[in-house]
Amino acid sequence: AQKVTQAQTEISVVEKEDVTLDCVYETRDTTYYLFWYKQPPSGELVFLIRRNSFDEQNEISGRYSWNFQKSTSSFNFTITASQVVDSAVYFCALLDNYGQNFVFGPGTRLSVLP
Amino acid sequence: GAGVSQTPSNKVTEKGKYVELRCDPISGHTALYWYRQSLGQGPEFLIYFQGTGAADDSGLPNDRFFAVRPEGSVSTLKIQRTERGDSAVYLCASSLSFRDTQYFGPGTRLTVL
Repeated sequence: AQKVTQAQTEISVVEKEDVTLDCVYETRDTTYYLFWYKQPPSGELVFLIRRNSFDEQNEISGRYSWNFQKSTSSFNFTITASQVVDSAVYFCALLDNYGQNFVFGPGTRLSVLP
Repeated sequence: GAGVSQTPSNKVTEKGKYVELRCDPISGHTALYWYRQSLGQGPEFLIYFQGTGAADDSGLPNDRFFAVRPEGSVSTLKIQRTERGDSAVYLCASSLSFRDTQYFGPGTRLTVL
């Protein structure tokens, strides 16, 4: 069975601090897909990134970066120089190779204080 | 272009009533998904359509829940004899095809009194 764990329930940082959100996953598939979504207070889930299991290259997009490590089954997300607008719940999710079993973690609530 | 839309945004109903929630996917997306999100939790999968057919309905909690997508575009999630435990935000997502990135709608907040 697939599982996603986000051990940090809530994180608070002060603006301009860097913050890393942890994600650990479990799957028996050799091909799978990992995602991060942001859910701001408005409630809509916003897609941030998709990574397939064959691509372990880290990715940077502006202030966001992702560290995918297959050896530890982790897909961590770092926000550099955090801003108040980054305050949201962040979900890590895992999709199986058949595109049917999409499992979300419990989410990490990030509060960025001015 | 237009994203996924869901109506109504809020629905309040009484225990035992029937409700319908509607999802309009992104144009051209063949795959459509329904999820339920309870407070403080991540979305939970309910059902997935590829075209008009339900490819996987293993997440539907019981036979009070049913969903259709008759023309392969708009989908309706139907809940019969609602119970207080059905209160949640119901999210719809669509993707170009299976395994592609899912884009989510704003959700329908269902409250059963």
